[in-house]
Amino acid sequence: DGGITQSPKYLFRKEGQNVTLSCEQNLNHDAMYWYRQDPGQGLRLIYYSQIVNDFQKGDIAEGYSVSREKKESFPLTVTSAQKNPTAFYLCASNEYYSNQPQHFGDGTRLSIL
Amino acid sequence: AQSVTQLGSHVSVSEGALVLLRCNYSSSVPPYLFWYVQYPNQGLQLLLKYTSAATLVKGINGFEAEFKKSETSFHLTKPSAHMSDAAEYFCAVTRMDSSYKLIFGSGTRLLVRP
Repeated sequence: DGGITQSPKYLFRKEGQNVTLSCEQNLNHDAMYWYRQDPGQGLRLIYYSQIVNDFQKGDIAEGYSVSREKKESFPLTVTSAQKNPTAFYLCASNEYYSNQPQHFGDGTRLSIL
Repeated sequence: AQSVTQLGSHVSVSEGALVLLRCNYSSSVPPYLFWYVQYPNQGLQLLLKYTSAATLVKGINGFEAEFKKSETSFHLTKPSAHMSDAAEYFCAVTRMDSSYKLIFGSGTRLLVRP
């Protein structure tokens, strides 16, 4: 079955450490998104990419970085510059410039050690 | 700025009772609208979407929503709640910049009492 795979499911970060969250999709979607979810705040857009080798900042990009070297993959790096990284991170995808709904992975929960 | 408002961070109903989750949006033109459901420690699953074809939209698991342009609302309903409906529900709208990116409401947690 087609879908989005996020790994790991749980991740712990030490002070000053960068960590990378994986997102892979086999839906043949052009567009991919990263969201951060905090209790009571809904989902906020971190970065998005509409085609390979291109990506744009979302509403809360500071302290995060991404790459899009392959259509299937859109990894997110949480850098040491992100001072409050504890959150649930969700990856999504849909067709390029489309009103089709976004499909979501099962998320990665990041915590600070 | 464009926004989505979900009234009530928590809604509690008895099993078998009507479910009503409220969503209002701010937009000068009718956007595309979505309702998603999230179970604990999982991603979001699409319940239904409005893309201007019909104002009453039927979704999965017996849910439906009605688009009311005059009220800028897209409330989610289900005639009879089931214990398995307990989850968090998110309303989302497309942005007015034609990018089709989504703006999410803050979510409503539905509790179903036996």
